[in-house]
Amino acid sequence: AQSVAQPEDQVNVAEGNPLTVKCTYSVSGNPYLFWYVQYPNRGLQFLLKYITGDNLVKGSYGFEAEFNKSQTSFHLKKPSALVSDSALYFCAVSPMDTGRRALTFGSGTRLQVQP
Amino acid sequence: GAGVSQSPSNKVTEKGKDVELRCDPISGHTALYWYRQRLGQGLEFLIYFQGNSAPDKSGLPSDRFSAERTGESVSTLTIQRTQQEDSAVYLCASSRLSTGTGTDTQYFGPGTRLTVL
Repeated sequence: AQSVAQPEDQVNVAEGNPLTVKCTYSVSGNPYLFWYVQYPNRGLQFLLKYITGDNLVKGSYGFEAEFNKSQTSFHLKKPSALVSDSALYFCAVSPMDTGRRALTFGSGTRLQVQP
Repeated sequence: GAGVSQSPSNKVTEKGKDVELRCDPISGHTALYWYRQRLGQGLEFLIYFQGNSAPDKSGLPSDRFSAERTGESVSTLTIQRTQQEDSAVYLCASSRLSTGTGTDTQYFGPGTRLTVL
């Protein structure tokens, strides 16, 4: 069975500083990896995904994530945080090799960007 | 274009009652998923529909939970004899056809907040 760990319940960063939200995964075989963001009282919005190819994936709103197979990690990053980035972020995985489509989500990390 | 829509947005019910939640996927999306999000937690997979294939029901927590889908359109999630632990936000997602072991991005609706008193 697959799993996702987001070790930080909350990340605090000052506006303009770089941010990192951590994610590690466990899956049989190769993974598909996703980041979603959830704003208060709204559904999940897709940010970016890793399917194959370049380990550095660029997504919406200036976010990017780096796939590291040896460390089984897929950390979300942004060079300069905005107050409007404050939200709940979820990492998710599905196994590439079994055809199982459902996503397994981490427990989420709350990002708080201070002005 | 229109995104995934869900109704109702909020549902309050009494323990023991049945509830029906509805999901309208993005037009042209053949795959449809239901997830549950308990307060302060991540999403749990419930059930997956793909075209005319048999649904993947592996995430349904008990036989009180069931779901149907009409063709490649609307889906309803039914919870019978609701319990307080069923209180959660129920999220629906849809994606384009996933062929073989490929996958496509799932787009989520706003969810239905279910409260069982």
